[in-house]
Amino acid sequence: DTEVTQTPKHLVMGMTNKKSLKCEQHMGHRAMYWYKQKAKKPPELMFVYSYEKLSINESVPSRFSPECPNSSLLNLHLHALQPEDSALYLCASSPKGGGTDTQYFGPGTRLTVL
Amino acid sequence: DQQVKQNSPSLSVQEGRISILNCDYTNSMFDYFLWYKKYPAEGPTFLISISSIKDKNEDGRFTVFLNKSAKHLSLHIVPSQPGDSAVYFCAASLGGSEKLVFGKGTKLTVNP
Repeated sequence: DTEVTQTPKHLVMGMTNKKSLKCEQHMGHRAMYWYKQKAKKPPELMFVYSYEKLSINESVPSRFSPECPNSSLLNLHLHALQPEDSALYLCASSPKGGGTDTQYFGPGTRLTVL
Repeated sequence: DQQVKQNSPSLSVQEGRISILNCDYTNSMFDYFLWYKKYPAEGPTFLISISSIKDKNEDGRFTVFLNKSAKHLSLHIVPSQPGDSAVYFCAASLGGSEKLVFGKGTKLTVNP
């Protein structure tokens, strides 16, 4: 199994909803990442988990709450989002973490906030 | 301040010819560089990487060249195929950090 999977593929939510994005990998990777990508922009890092501990939070608003229940699973809990949070949310994983580790991306969740 | 720049938003080449995608960076502390390919509605797919201790890395049809003095890297695809049509992102990381900084991407179109 050499892929990162993300569910759901598409999500539409209101500003008062609570929802979660899920990411899974079974490659034995020990680092997992959340990125946000707006249209015609590059991916921007949100969070990094290394060995199931949060190692990087790029000053993301608290309405985004990451969770890493185990080394294969990464969640992003969403609450009270704004329309400008609509974007493609990408999950990635890498073998060990660290600067020379190659990150492998999932297909993304397309989020629309109404 | 954009630390990784891809100044050509788009590039069009004929099938069978060489595609050259360029990337410039401003931070001399970057020490690992990657190229990703992205199709619409999919996540980025890793293509090839290069460490700052090398100036060239080759994998099949893909070669990445790094010129540290010019803070410039390029991706060569030879021969180009229609299936290579996608957006190509250059990315860089800094001294052991997991944080990847991406360029804005170049849309490559390979015409049959």
